[in-house]
Amino acid sequence: DARVTQTPRHKVTEMGQEVTMRCQPILGHNTVFWYRQTMMQGLELLAYFRNRAPLDDSGMPKDRFSAEMPDATLATLKIQPSEPRDSAVYFCASGLVRDGRAWWDEQFFGPGTRLTVL
Amino acid sequence: EDKVVQSPLSLVVHEGDTVTLNCSYEVTNFRSLLWYKQEKKAPTFLFMLTSSGIEKKSGRLSSILDKKELSSILNITATQTGDSAIYLCAVEAVTGNQFYFGTGTSLTVIP
Repeated sequence: DARVTQTPRHKVTEMGQEVTMRCQPILGHNTVFWYRQTMMQGLELLAYFRNRAPLDDSGMPKDRFSAEMPDATLATLKIQPSEPRDSAVYFCASGLVRDGRAWWDEQFFGPGTRLTVL
Repeated sequence: EDKVVQSPLSLVVHEGDTVTLNCSYEVTNFRSLLWYKQEKKAPTFLFMLTSSGIEKKSGRLSSILDKKELSSILNITATQTGDSAIYLCAVEAVTGNQFYFGTGTSLTVIP
């Protein structure tokens, strides 16, 4: 049963600390998407990678957020330094980009990392 | 600025009722509109709509897009408690390969 995994599932940290969230995409998918969900803003697309290269990260605050995909089985989202306003659920999804287009109806979401920054 | 607006924000109905959820959008270079259901965890895909007037149907759920009105509706007939969830609408823009979500409609179905 192929699925996207995310770790940790929950993270509580103090303001100023570095936070790293990890995602393992479904084998064979060439694209990883990062989303953030809050009550106020809803679900927002932060960035996505295809074949480990960033395709778009225009939704991601650049000053403190960074996303990487060191290999095909691991994607990371880092926040340094973290702030209380970063508290949210961060979802990773994996899917396919073909012919230059992301197939949004074929992406599968992971269970999310619930981040609380005190 | 591109945006997606859903209404109502929340809805409480009794089992067996029919509900209609709305999604309107202002997105430059629209390509498609998608509906998702989110229970306690991650969103799951329901429908993808690209053409006006063509209804997509899956069991008791159906959806249709109106490009002239820049909107879509999601209908659920004979609701069940298992339909309780947040329903998210998202719009894909051609330009920049962007994807915008609405804030969702929270549906509660009471037995």
